[in-house]
Amino acid sequence: AQRVTQPEKLLSVFKGAPVELKCNYSYSGSPELFWYVQYSRQRLQLLLRHISRESIKGFTADLNKGETSFHLKKPFAQEEDSAMYYCALSGRSKIIFGKGTRLHILP
Amino acid sequence: EAQVTQNPRYLITVTGKKLTVTCSQNMNHEYMSWYRQDPGLGLRQIYYSMNVEVTDKGDVPEGYKVSRKEKRNFPLILESPSPNQTSLYFCASSRDPRGPYGYTFGSGTRLTVV
Repeated sequence: AQRVTQPEKLLSVFKGAPVELKCNYSYSGSPELFWYVQYSRQRLQLLLRHISRESIKGFTADLNKGETSFHLKKPFAQEEDSAMYYCALSGRSKIIFGKGTRLHILP
Repeated sequence: EAQVTQNPRYLITVTGKKLTVTCSQNMNHEYMSWYRQDPGLGLRQIYYSMNVEVTDKGDVPEGYKVSRKEKRNFPLILESPSPNQTSLYFCASSRDPRGPYGYTFGSGTRLTVV
């Protein structure tokens, strides 16, 4: 079965502290994985995708096939990072989303 | 500007009154999809379309209809809305959902059914 699991509904982190948003997946094949971000009252935006191995707004994510994980990381949290984050997997006919993690940056 | 446009942004309606939420994209994407977003449930797919005249059910299709007569448009139709369809709806398009391209999302439609 294709599945994306984000174990944390809410993550609170102090400004300047490191951030790690967890994502685990289940997929038989080579997955295409993404992180999306949704700022308050805005549309979902593609944050990054594993194939491009890029860093956006200081965030990075590494695909670990052994652990079937695609955790999102940032070394120093900023207040503007407060948002809802969704991990997603590109399946055979659709993109499957996790239930999301709300990241709250504390001043 | 490449975008997905949804209308309306906000809609309050009464139970049983048919409504349509429009979605249009200008990127010549073949794949389009509708999601609803509810607290604690994340994004759930309602319907999707791989191309013109090709539509298929997602995870929560009950109470919804779609059509894809042209590549750019993918309206969502609620024939007889009920209060449990109160939600935030997103339309999205993609060049290919099986590839590394991801989705482009619309701004969302907040629907309230009373």
